[in-house]
Amino acid sequence: KAGVTQTPRYLIKTRGQQVTLSCSPISGHRSVSWYQQTPGQGLQFLFEYFSETQRNKGNFPGRFSGRQFSNSRSEMNVSTLELGDSALYLCASSFGLAGDSYEQYFGPGTRLTVT
Amino acid sequence: AQTVTQSQPEMSVQEAETVTLSCTYDTSESDYYLFWYKQPPSRQMILVIRQEAYKQQNATENRFSVNFQKAAKSFSLKISDSQLGDAAMYFCAEVGGGNKLTFGTGTQLKVEL
Repeated sequence: KAGVTQTPRYLIKTRGQQVTLSCSPISGHRSVSWYQQTPGQGLQFLFEYFSETQRNKGNFPGRFSGRQFSNSRSEMNVSTLELGDSALYLCASSFGLAGDSYEQYFGPGTRLTVT
Repeated sequence: AQTVTQSQPEMSVQEAETVTLSCTYDTSESDYYLFWYKQPPSRQMILVIRQEAYKQQNATENRFSVNFQKAAKSFSLKISDSQLGDAAMYFCAEVGGGNKLTFGTGTQLKVEL
């Protein structure tokens, strides 16, 4: 069974631009969660989608948004990029909601650099 | 609010020796789950071990075992017979009550020859 895939793996953007990251979950998994990882803030939860609905949201500004499609693939979008958005963005999939103890399987991440 | 604390930013262990990584957590949930994840230099997060809070027996996965002290809200990871491939950042995490998965700040484990 294929693992979680994320595209692109690396991305360089300029301040003020917007970016879209994609995540394809493991086949059969219906939940996709997104995390931001930085050296200063560690791993921070962005949001979780289940059956095309956002079920949980972290403390990030409205510039961060996401969506999930009927095939469970998910995208996250960051508008008006700031230097502080430079991070590793991790996607994780699980069969059910993470909060119901379903184990999450992580993708390799997308390294976003904002210049 | 959920909080997870890892007080050891870095740890070192000699190959074939045993090392214990510490983790404490705080949650108001009565039903919750605890995890240890490993993140090697490749950045791929890998689940190492999981513990259900309602289970008294400590979880074990091959060379990895936990010491779960529910009353003290402590969840340490013991790695036996350490191998070079165990070198990584280890994250403790907790989830419960339909909430998000909350991670600690991580412990960087170095394995020395």
